[in-house]
Amino acid sequence: GNSVTQMEGPVTLSEEAFLTINCTYTATGYPSLFWYVQYPGEGLQLLLKATKADDKGSNKGFEATYRKETTSFHLEKGSVQVSDSAVYFCALRNLNRDDKIIFGKGTRLHILP
Amino acid sequence: GAVVSQHPSRVICKSGTSVKIECRSLDFQATTMFWYRQFPKKSLMLMATSNEGSKATYEQGVEKDKFLINHASLTLSTLTVTSAHPEDSSFYICSAYRGTGNEQFFGPGTRLTVL
Repeated sequence: GNSVTQMEGPVTLSEEAFLTINCTYTATGYPSLFWYVQYPGEGLQLLLKATKADDKGSNKGFEATYRKETTSFHLEKGSVQVSDSAVYFCALRNLNRDDKIIFGKGTRLHILP
Repeated sequence: GAVVSQHPSRVICKSGTSVKIECRSLDFQATTMFWYRQFPKKSLMLMATSNEGSKATYEQGVEKDKFLINHASLTLSTLTVTSAHPEDSSFYICSAYRGTGNEQFFGPGTRLTVL
């Protein structure tokens, strides 16, 4: 079945550090891939997405590239800010099956000033 | 982007009472809505898929008689937690599927605390 595995947190970085949060997936068919962000006490917001192999999603300085050969969708940011502190969820949706989104377990990110 | 609201944002209730949570798509029609439950420091667990005008489809292990879902219109789905117990305390999040663009939009969540 479909599944998403992402690196366990929490991840603690200093401001302006480089960020990578790893995400790999297992899916049949051709899933769309997503990163969602959840700020403290809030619901989920779509951060970025990619719908086919080699697509790069980007938003707010974050990037992730859909790598079919490695079944990965790692999230990166060159210089993190304190305001990036949140929980990040990698997710997939397989349009060939249904509209369900399968989430990873989430990675909590702490950015220190 | 599209807006999905949830009401209430927080609710505290006594054990044994029922609580209704509303999920509304404010600027689009959603034939399908989803209800998730999030435990502290855990991922989102899909509870059920709500289709307008038909019965909800529940995920394995989710009690349909305890978590009643009604999708009465294209902009409103409700989740009723019946006879709530402290173990039902959680963060409940809905999402609405907008066919145009094949996107799902999430509500801000409802924190339920059962005393």
